[in-house]
Amino acid sequence: DAGVTQSPTHLIKTRGQHVTLRCSPISGHKSVSWYQQVLGQGPQFIFQYYEKEERGRGNFPDRFSARQFPNYSSELNVNALLLGDSALYLCASSFRQETQYFGPGTRLLVL
Amino acid sequence: GIQVEQSPPDLILQEGANSTLRCNFSDSVNNLQWFHQNPWGQLINLFYIPSGTKQNGRLSATTVATERYSLLYISSSQTTDSGVYFCAVELAGANSKLTFGKGITLSVRP
Repeated sequence: DAGVTQSPTHLIKTRGQHVTLRCSPISGHKSVSWYQQVLGQGPQFIFQYYEKEERGRGNFPDRFSARQFPNYSSELNVNALLLGDSALYLCASSFRQETQYFGPGTRLLVL
Repeated sequence: GIQVEQSPPDLILQEGANSTLRCNFSDSVNNLQWFHQNPWGQLINLFYIPSGTKQNGRLSATTVATERYSLLYISSSQTTDSGVYFCAVELAGANSKLTFGKGITLSVRP
């Protein structure tokens, strides 16, 4: 079975632009979570979606938004990019509220 | 919010040595996972262990939930064990929100 997949793998944007990151969960998993990992730190929780509804939101500004589609894939959108948004963005899926499995991540560089 | 502290922050081992990585957390948790992050950034699941003891090959983990700590044991370390090890916990009622520690950087030298 395929694991969690994310696209794109790498992305370079300039300040003020917006970006859309995509995630496909493991087949059968209905929960998707997004995390941001800046260099030298552990991942920080951004959002969790379950059955297309937002179930949790971390301490991130409103420039960050997400949604989950009927096939349980998810998008993370970031508007008005800042230099500080440069990070590895990780998506995780889980079956109910058990072990979370992470994708390979999208590396975003904001110039 | 919940605090997760990992120690030591850095660890250097000779190949073949054993090691113990520690994770302390400040509140009751529903979920505790150990991950290994490889140089490409992939977080690899090692254990889902909210309580008790589990073993998988050269790795084992123990969580004592009542005392709010977990230990990851690596025996007969190999150079491929190098990387960053994270402990992550989910607070009761937190809906899959994992809170990560700062990680332990392990370097295994040949």
